[in-house]
Amino acid sequence: SQELEQSPQSLIVQEGKNLTINCTSSKTLYGLYWYKQKYGEGLIFLMMLQKGGEEKSHEKITAKLDEKKQQSSLHITASQPSHAGIYLCGADRTGTASKLTFGTGTRLQVTL
Amino acid sequence: DGGITQSPKYLFRKEGQNVTLSCEQNLNHDAMYWYRQDPGQGLRLIYYSQIVNDFQKGDIAEGYSVSREKKESFPLTVTSAQKNPTAFYLCASSHDSENRGVRTEAFFGQGTRLTVV
Repeated sequence: SQELEQSPQSLIVQEGKNLTINCTSSKTLYGLYWYKQKYGEGLIFLMMLQKGGEEKSHEKITAKLDEKKQQSSLHITASQPSHAGIYLCGADRTGTASKLTFGTGTRLQVTL
Repeated sequence: DGGITQSPKYLFRKEGQNVTLSCEQNLNHDAMYWYRQDPGQGLRLIYYSQIVNDFQKGDIAEGYSVSREKKESFPLTVTSAQKNPTAFYLCASSHDSENRGVRTEAFFGQGTRLTVV
């Protein structure tokens, strides 16, 4: 079973709408990473969260890590076609930063 | 420019053959990783290496082998024992943050799409 669960699996939103993607673990996360992937390409780093309650923003994307460090959310405000892609959360679940594992991914489509 | 390079971008393999995927980085990163991505799924960790001449199995290591003879290089061999090798393979690298007490993000290559014919 996947130890990092993402929801929803896919999402279609109209341009200009807000959206949220969630990443949940049954274990404490020592480091939580958000990446974006265009189909058939590598992953682009978005943000990293380490502390419980931490929140970071970049342009129209905000990521949060809950106090227990078991759940993270990625929020996009006023979505644009350029936001389309696959969003993946990755985590260091063991305290060994080199063993980085990923969730199932969320496919985002933005319609005009 | 610094970065991580995977080659080839597309690879075709006949059943029963071994193939090797290349991954090279000039970021001076200690840690390197190999992931497999299947359609509709996230990334699954195959092998990772924290230092030269040392590597550990990830979650799906069966049918794969790696070597880490140089800091810059971490080639992955898909052996004939891998029953379903058709997939998108991604290589990544990062600073060995555990040893330095600093956690950093991983940088990814552009991937190799392997197809068994």
